[in-house]
Amino acid sequence: EAGVAQSPRYKIIEKRQSVAFWCNPISGHATLYWYQQILGQGPKLLIQFQNNGVVDDSQLPKDRFSAERLKGVDSTLKIQPAKLEDSAVYLCASSLEGGADTQYFGPGTRLTVL
Amino acid sequence: GNSVTQMEGPVTLSEEAFLTINCTYTATGYPSLFWYVQYPGEGLQLLLKATKADDKGSNKGFEATYRKETTSFHLEKGSVQVSDSAVYFCALSDRSGGATNKLIFGTGTLLAVQP
Repeated sequence: EAGVAQSPRYKIIEKRQSVAFWCNPISGHATLYWYQQILGQGPKLLIQFQNNGVVDDSQLPKDRFSAERLKGVDSTLKIQPAKLEDSAVYLCASSLEGGADTQYFGPGTRLTVL
Repeated sequence: GNSVTQMEGPVTLSEEAFLTINCTYTATGYPSLFWYVQYPGEGLQLLLKATKADDKGSNKGFEATYRKETTSFHLEKGSVQVSDSAVYFCALSDRSGGATNKLIFGTGTLLAVQP
């Protein structure tokens, strides 16, 4: 069974530029999560989707971050404009349903903002 | 709010030594508890989990018991190998916000095993 796919793996941009990340969850998984992992910290949830609806985006900086999950499968996370403090690894995860189901993580996208 | 506290690293051990990484949590209700492992250059992988008090999760020689009375979920392994070198994250599932199932992570503990 294929795991969670993410691209790109690495991205370097200048501050105030925009960037987008892509995630393809495990086939059949209804719930998709985006986490931000700053160096030296644990991952922090940015947004959770159930199918193509948003369940929780309380920690998403909505003035610069946006995310969508069209057709309840793939998802994109965008940052516009980027700030230095956005440098982090962006992790996508998926699970069969919400509840206590195990979340399976992708390899992440390492973003560096200069 | 809900939170997880785990021991700071790095933890440096010799091969075949006993490992304990402490994890305590603060939570309302009855969260599920997890240990995830992150090998160098790779994504997070679930190592083990426990969904209710007194449950013991185990995998690859690692164990952790959900202790409600001490709000702890300490990770143990009897004999570590060099291949166990990684960052270990303790986490809980936070259902306090209703439908969300977000994971609350600790800061991670780097384990370095020397031959």
